[in-house]
Amino acid sequence: DTAVSQTPKYLVTQMGNDKSIKCEQNLGHDTMYWYKQDSKKFLKIMFSYNNKELIINETVPNRFSPKSPDKAHLNLHINSLELGDSAVYFCASSDRGGYTFGSGTRLTVV
Amino acid sequence: GENVEQHPSTLSVQEGDSAVIKCTYSDSASNYFPWYKQELGKGPQLIIDIRSNVGEKKDQRIAVTLNKTAKHFSLHITETQPEDSAVYFCAAIISGGGADGLTFGKGTHLIIQP
Repeated sequence: DTAVSQTPKYLVTQMGNDKSIKCEQNLGHDTMYWYKQDSKKFLKIMFSYNNKELIINETVPNRFSPKSPDKAHLNLHINSLELGDSAVYFCASSDRGGYTFGSGTRLTVV
Repeated sequence: GENVEQHPSTLSVQEGDSAVIKCTYSDSASNYFPWYKQELGKGPQLIIDIRSNVGEKKDQRIAVTLNKTAKHFSLHITETQPEDSAVYFCAAIISGGGADGLTFGKGTHLIIQP
């Protein structure tokens, strides 16, 4: 069983569209995250979320919004997609220790 | 916030030689330092970590050292093999200090020459 799974693996869409990326973890972890990896491989946190608190990186545009239907899921919604949103997005989870990452979603905005 | 610097950005070594990647961090309150390996098309995978109450940790061919005073930590890979080729990331965080997430270095592309 995959510990942190995200779908889709690839997403190609036009500018201006709205899209979602789904993430699920079966580790029982309390906290989930979204990270963005740019073309230079730099990993930067976008959001962290547990059942009590959402922490937003202040540099993330408000077109990005996390949605958590339950403790095991943290989806990422993106409105009005822009060319600069093209990147690989990683979901991760943690529980007072190591972080486990999903395999990533490569988003290409054309 | 925390800032992590990582060097070198690219490291090429002969198969069988050792590789060393170095990182520095800025926040003296950080107490957990993991290292991740990322292969092409995959997510980062934890390979080793160290907490601030330990100076060194080893797992087979991989070791990590931590100097809290100097605020730097290093990854050592001995007897390198072709499958060690990947991008390696160091990271730092105040474990248990909230949900701020890991702060990553910019990565080191390790190339193992046959």
